[in-house]
Amino acid sequence: GQNIDQPTEMTATEGAIVQINCTYQTSGFNGLFWYQQHAGEAPTFLSYNVLDGLEEKGRFSSFLSRSKGYSYLLLKELQMKDSASYLCAVADSNYQLIWGAGTKLIIKP
Amino acid sequence: GAVVSQHPSWVICKSGTSVKIECRSLDFQATTMFWYRQFPKQSLMLMATSNEGSKATYEQGVEKDKFLINHASLTLSTLTVTSAHPEDSSFYICSAGAGVDYNEQFFGPGTRLTVL
Repeated sequence: GQNIDQPTEMTATEGAIVQINCTYQTSGFNGLFWYQQHAGEAPTFLSYNVLDGLEEKGRFSSFLSRSKGYSYLLLKELQMKDSASYLCAVADSNYQLIWGAGTKLIIKP
Repeated sequence: GAVVSQHPSWVICKSGTSVKIECRSLDFQATTMFWYRQFPKQSLMLMATSNEGSKATYEQGVEKDKFLINHASLTLSTLTVTSAHPEDSSFYICSAGAGVDYNEQFFGPGTRLTVL
């Protein structure tokens, strides 16, 4: 079956760095997405990786290893507004997104 | 980025009534739109894939006669929850596919449905 695993909840301190991991097993692979979702709102796009390596975009970076079925989202210089759920999703062979359950990130002062 | 709107943003209705939710791509044509449902503290669950001019493809366990989807134009898809019940109360989100092979999805703001 298809499966996306990510931690349920993480806590970090304002100004610090946090890494959210995602492992996947899917039928085919056409890219991995990270989305941010604040409570009561729709997800917003953060990053897309289809090749191995690190993609940096401001305070956020996303890494992919296709051979390991593994990705992480790295958030630097954490701000209180970064408190949200972070969703990992993989596009399978039919380009259908398979979603992880999300990681709730709690930022403390 | 592309903009997707949803209407209404929230709705409260009585049990047994039907509710229609609209999803529009404002500045691009979306031949494929996706409808999701999200219960509190859970991830998105794909309900159906809507293709312009053809019947929607429903995920396993989603009743197509209860959740009617119409995708009559390249910029509009509608989801009608028929004979709504309290267990249908949820956050309904649409997204429109863009990019090569629709590998990028732009989400609408979501519609919160409460059935009394």
